[in-house]
Amino acid sequence: DTEVTQTPKHLVMGMTNKKSLKCEQHMGHRAMYWYKQKAKKPPELMFVYSYEKLSINESVPSRFSPECPNSSLLNLHLHALQPEDSALYLCASSSRGFRVSDYGYTFGSGTRLTVV
Amino acid sequence: GDSVTQMEGPVTLSEEAFLTINCTYTATGYPSLFWYVQYPGEGLQLLLKATKADDKGSNKGFEATYRKETTSFHLEKGSVQVSDSAVYFCALSDQGGSEKLVFGKGMKLTVNP
Repeated sequence: DTEVTQTPKHLVMGMTNKKSLKCEQHMGHRAMYWYKQKAKKPPELMFVYSYEKLSINESVPSRFSPECPNSSLLNLHLHALQPEDSALYLCASSSRGFRVSDYGYTFGSGTRLTVV
Repeated sequence: GDSVTQMEGPVTLSEEAFLTINCTYTATGYPSLFWYVQYPGEGLQLLLKATKADDKGSNKGFEATYRKETTSFHLEKGSVQVSDSAVYFCALSDQGGSEKLVFGKGMKLTVNP
């Protein structure tokens, strides 16, 4: 299995809703990421989990709450979002090891989120 | 901080035309360099990579060479196809252990038959 699977593919939520995005990989990767991508822009890093511990939070508002229950799963809990949070949310994973950046990152196909 | 500058386009080419997408970077140390491709409605796919100076990455007819002296990683393909229509991102990963990918702004390529 060489994929990162994200669910759901599309999500529409109101500003008072609570929802979660899910990401799963079975490649044994020990680093997992959440990226946010607005239309016609490059992805922007939100969070990094390394060995199931949060290692980087790029000053993301608290209405986004990441969770890594185990080495294969990564969740992003959403609460009280704003319309400007509408974007494509991408999950990625990478292997850990010597010169980890040599291996690149595997991205999922994303969840397209619309906040109304 | 580290940064990537690439051609932004959009660019429209005819099938079988030659493609070059310029990419230059600023980084301390010796980053790894990547080209990612994003097809409409999809996530990013790794197209090719290079991890040290003078390395050449290649895949699906695309090539890029890591040039430390010019801090560049230009993407080339000799004959593009309609199926190459996508957005192309140049990216770097630093060696400082931060695990971050730094992306260029991306370039949209449209190939017409």
